[in-house]
Amino acid sequence: DAMVIQNPRYQVTQFGKPVTLSCSQTLNHNVMYWYQQKSSQAPKLLFHYYDKDFNNEADTPDNFQSRRPNTSFCFLDIRSPGLGDAAMYLCATSRDKWGGYTFGSGTRLTVV
Amino acid sequence: KQEVTQIPAALSVPEGENLVLNCSFTDSAIYNLQWFRQDPGKGLTSLLLIQSSQREQTSGRLNASLDKSSGRSTLYIAASQPGDSATYLCAVFQGAQKLVFGQGTRLTINP
Repeated sequence: DAMVIQNPRYQVTQFGKPVTLSCSQTLNHNVMYWYQQKSSQAPKLLFHYYDKDFNNEADTPDNFQSRRPNTSFCFLDIRSPGLGDAAMYLCATSRDKWGGYTFGSGTRLTVV
Repeated sequence: KQEVTQIPAALSVPEGENLVLNCSFTDSAIYNLQWFRQDPGKGLTSLLLIQSSQREQTSGRLNASLDKSSGRSTLYIAASQPGDSATYLCAVFQGAQKLVFGQGTRLTINP
């Protein structure tokens, strides 16, 4: 089945130690998104790629970066994780700019 | 600024009941509305996508309606089952890759 796959499901990292989360898709969708979701809150958009064009949300901290080396893969890099960055990170895709989102299963990040 | 509200925040019903979850949004200029399900500690599963030109969509025991002019959508779940227990999120898409979520309704179906 075509899908959005996130690895790992659970990630524990040390305070200040860089960490990378990965997302892959077999849907061949043009747009890929990264969301942050904290406990009992709605998902918050960090940034998205429309094809190769990167779009950062204005309030996304500089600590968060992203890479999309090809259509299928997208990475979230957290350069110096703080305790406040512990959250569920969700990757999503849409075919084009008109919406219709497919989400992955998420990566739960713990910062110790 | 678009705001999406879901009422109630939590709902507990006995198994077998039909139920309705509500979603309202402040700006009717949307392209589509999507209902998601989220199990604890998991990602989002898309349930139904309604385009702005549509009035409703159905999938199995689920039916979602959209009244764009009044800024409302409902998710109807027929013959509820314990496996339906989850958080249900409503989200509106306004273009520019902006998907605005409600806070969700946490649904518990009691056997």
